[in-house]
Amino acid sequence: KQEVTQIPAALSVPEGENLVLNCSFTDSAIYNLQWFRQDPGKGLTSLLLIQSSQREQTSGRLNASLDKSSGRSTLYIAASQPGDSATYLCAEHSGTYKYIFGTGTRLKVLA
Amino acid sequence: NAGVTQTPKFQVLKTGQSMTLQCAQDMNHNSMYWYRQDPGMGLRLIYYSASEGTTDKGEVPNGYNVSRLNKREFSLRLESAAPSQTSVYFCASSRGQGADEQFFGPGTRLTVL
Repeated sequence: KQEVTQIPAALSVPEGENLVLNCSFTDSAIYNLQWFRQDPGKGLTSLLLIQSSQREQTSGRLNASLDKSSGRSTLYIAASQPGDSATYLCAEHSGTYKYIFGTGTRLKVLA
Repeated sequence: NAGVTQTPKFQVLKTGQSMTLQCAQDMNHNSMYWYRQDPGMGLRLIYYSASEGTTDKGEVPNGYNVSRLNKREFSLRLESAAPSQTSVYFCASSRGQGADEQFFGPGTRLTVL
């Protein structure tokens, strides 16, 4: 059964710190992996999509990497800000119309 | 540009009542999806529509039906609501091919008493 795991479930860091969020998946035949942000009571906002042929994607202070051989993706957030506080979800897609979601990492950036 | 819209935002039902959740997208996307999100469970796919005129079951379809009304609209119906269907429901869309970036609506928070 395909699974996506995100560890840790929660993380608190002081403002300005660089941080890494982890996402592990079991399916090596991955097509792409997408990172989302979810604010409390809101929908999911797409942050980055990495295709299986890519190693990483960057958007502003965010950088996501993909290592298919180890079944891991990381989301790097540079110079964290209180506005980055949210839950971050990853979802892997492996060739059907179905994405498998992790349960998320709840990030709190302290001012 | 509204993206993906969902109505209603909140709903309270009694066990056995029926209702339809509405979803529309204005991005000319081919594929649309319905998910439910429960604490500790992550998002789970209920149904999806790869293209206009087609629908398929996802991971947790029991108790639900869907209609792809046209390319823009994809509705989710609960025929006889049960407390286990208390959840937050999200609609999403993607360009197509099943391997594209997904865009989500704001969600519907449903409580079944």
